[in-house]
Amino acid sequence: DIRMTQSPASLSASLGETVNIECLASEDIYSDLAWYQQKPGKSPQLLIYNANSLQNGVPSRFSGSGSGTQYSLKINSLQSEDVATYFCQQYNNYVNTFGGGTKLELK
Amino acid sequence: QVQLQQSGAELVKPGTSVKLSCKASGYTFTSNHMNWIKQTTGQGLEWIGIINPGSGGTTYNVKFKGKATLTVDKSSSTAFMQLSSLTPEDSAVYYCARRDGGYVMDAWGQGASVTVSS
Repeated sequence: DIRMTQSPASLSASLGETVNIECLASEDIYSDLAWYQQKPGKSPQLLIYNANSLQNGVPSRFSGSGSGTQYSLKINSLQSEDVATYFCQQYNNYVNTFGGGTKLELK
Repeated sequence: QVQLQQSGAELVKPGTSVKLSCKASGYTFTSNHMNWIKQTTGQGLEWIGIINPGSGGTTYNVKFKGKATLTVDKSSSTAFMQLSSLTPEDSAVYYCARRDGGYVMDAWGQGASVTVSS
């Protein structure tokens, strides 16, 4: 299985700050990468697919980039409603695998 | 709008089985594959398998073969996952999630908590 290593595991940032979350795949996943947001007690919600495509309805302060084995999620101008855990997921291999998650809190 | 309504929390004894449901609405059920995912605090998110509601064809993560069985009832637009020979390690929140045309999970159920305890 493809291993997805996400960093950092937790992050504390202030309102209005820019936040970056990284995801490293154990092999080339050819941009078959998605990012999800999960708020406490809720199910994950799709933010980004194909590494850099914004899902309908997702605020434009969220963006994704990367290729090969290295990918990142950027949140511009952090809002209070962005407090959540973020996961990356690869779907290049039929066994989809997820990163361990990044818990984002407000400073 | 697309909705996936899952069955409620289950408290079950070790060695028994449980069958979870996921009722789809807001789209043509047979047009999209359905994933099942396990979430635990320790192991994070794990992909269990996927079913094609149109054909009933399934693909499983090797780790869950023999543990999970995926089925559908097209007449009620409902997907099911049966978990067998339950142990405490099967305690988790289980999600169904629709696969879109691009292979991502674009809609998720609310999750079903399964607790295995004697």
